[in-house]
This record gives sequence, structure tokens and C-alpha cells, in this order.
Amino acid sequence: GENVEQHPSTLSVQEGDSAVIKCTYSDSASNYFPWYKQELGKRPQLIIDIRSNVGEKKDQRIAVTLNKTAKHFSLHITETQPEDSAVYFCAASECTSYGRLTFGQGTILTVHP
Amino acid sequence: EAQVTQNPRYLITVTGKKLTVTCSQNMNHEYMSWYRQDPGLGLRQIYYSMNVEVTDKGDVPEGYKVSRKEKRNFPLILESPSPNQTSLYFCASNGGTFSYNEQFFGPGTRLTVL
Repeated sequence: GENVEQHPSTLSVQEGDSAVIKCTYSDSASNYFPWYKQELGKRPQLIIDIRSNVGEKKDQRIAVTLNKTAKHFSLHITETQPEDSAVYFCAASECTSYGRLTFGQGTILTVHP
Repeated sequence: EAQVTQNPRYLITVTGKKLTVTCSQNMNHEYMSWYRQDPGLGLRQIYYSMNVEVTDKGDVPEGYKVSRKEKRNFPLILESPSPNQTSLYFCASNGGTFSYNEQFFGPGTRLTVL
């Protein structure tokens, strides 16, 4: 089955800096890679996703890059703000298995004002 | 309001006492899943369902049962709970008209097994 590794487990940055979280996956059949954000005491929510037919996707201050050859993908947050502080999860799945999703271990991001 | 609901939100029980956590969605989603969240381990899928009467194991199915008799409901059953099932549980659904893959999570159920 799929295995997703996520690094780092914790990340501390100053407000305005950039933050990068990296994930690797094992199953070459995976072709859908979402990122979820979970604020303290809340449920996870999708913030951005990418499919294997593109290498990069951007939405305002967040972007995701994908390297299918190396089986890794990354989340980039620019101009970080204190409200970006949360736990971030990457995940991987095969689009033909819409209910099946494997998550990484999570990264606790802290943005210091 | 489109949502996924779970009950109860908090539960403290004892080893061996059967319990059920309910999950319901009002978005007519085809897919529903159960996850458990533990520190350092992320979200791990327990079971998922592709439609009524169609379910499959996720990564950590041992000690859990599920059923999908109606499209909107997907209860999680612990026949004989043990302390290692103490965790935060999330139900999720996906399969809407837009953003088919996006999983919508319920508010979570914090379970403690003594």
C-alpha cells in the first residue's frame, strides 16, 4: 500500500518568512496530492491540491510543487502570518480510488509575530 | 448547511463495552471514511465506503467495524474497545459535484477507553 513520509515534524518561522514542508510517497500509481490544514481544536480542511499532470499549482500565498520522478511534493507558504500557525498534512491517493487517502504524519507550523 | 456531523463528540468508556460513533452527511456524497488521529502518526484511515453496502479496509482496521446501509450514514463500531483505541476520530465524506476528491471532515470524536 501507499506510504507517505512528511518532514519536518515541527517548523518555526518568523512572520513574513517562507515555510516549506516536504512529503515523499511510495506508490507510483498515486496521482492526486492534497494538503490539509488543521487549526488547534478544529477539523482538517483542504487548502490546496495537485494532480500528477501538473508540476506546480499556486493559490495566493500558498503553492505546491510535484516531482513525480522523485515521488515527492512540497507545500510552500510565502509571507507567513500568525494565522498560518496550524498542523499541515500532506496526502496521496490514486484518482480511481476516490475514497482511499493516505496522510503524512503532519507538520506543526508556528509563525512568531 | 452542508456538513458532516458526528456523535458523540466526547466519550469515556471502559474496556470491552461496545460502542458506536455515528456519522452523517447531507451532501449526497458517495464516499465516506473514518480516520483516527494520534500525535506523531497523523491521520490514519480505518475504513472507507464507496457507496451503500460497499466498504473496504483502510490502514488500521483491526478492532473496528463499519456499515453503510444508507448513503448519508456511516457508523463506526467498536465491539470490544481497548485502551489502545483511545484517540481522536474523524469521519469524512467526498464525492460532490465539484472538487470530487475533497474530503469534508466532521468535528471529531474524542474517545477515551479506560
